[in-house]
Amino acid sequence: GAVVSQHPSWVICKSGTSVKIECRSLDFQATTMFWYRQFPKQSLMLMATSNEGSKATYEQGVEKDKFLINHASLTLSTLTVTSAHPEDSSFYICSGRGGVGGYTFGSGTRLTVV
Amino acid sequence: GENVEQHPSTLSVQEGDSAVIKCTYSDSASNYFPWYKQELGKRPQLIIDIRSNVGEKKDQRIAVTLNKTAKHFSLHITETQPEDSAVYFCAASTFGGNTGKLIFGQGTTLQVKP
Repeated sequence: GAVVSQHPSWVICKSGTSVKIECRSLDFQATTMFWYRQFPKQSLMLMATSNEGSKATYEQGVEKDKFLINHASLTLSTLTVTSAHPEDSSFYICSGRGGVGGYTFGSGTRLTVV
Repeated sequence: GENVEQHPSTLSVQEGDSAVIKCTYSDSASNYFPWYKQELGKRPQLIIDIRSNVGEKKDQRIAVTLNKTAKHFSLHITETQPEDSAVYFCAASTFGGNTGKLIFGQGTTLQVKP
């Protein structure tokens, strides 16, 4: 079945540094990738939608200059959290659409900013 | 934009009883309604889904009903077991639309007491 491989699974970084999260679609072409953020005991909040080869569309309240999304190919999308701060600590998860299974989620990345 | 409301936020039942979780959505163009089970720190797992051309769908102990007119859909779990304890999310999207954004409800923490 369709698989989205997400890396890293967890990362700890210092405040002010940048972190890149990768999502690769295996066995299918993810024409669209959705990026979510989930704080403890809360729901998955959609941050942005990216289509291969075009600029990402960000949800209201999400800073596009802080959360850089690149979807340069049908199998790779990246999210870079720039100048990370402790309040950016969260669980980030991607979801690719294009496979027969509908929406295929990555395994998530636990980001801790210290 | 699309908004999905989910109730209740917590639900405690005795083993063997039934559990019902309800959701409402705002976008009448929504045509795909999946339900996910999420374990702590893991990706959401699709447990059942329904499309707008169907009113009900059942898979063993799990069933989903959809009322398009009222924009309601519900998850029914019968003969609950302790291993059903988890957080459940409903979601809605316009699958096949330009973006197909998947918007989640707030989540329900289900506890099944032995």
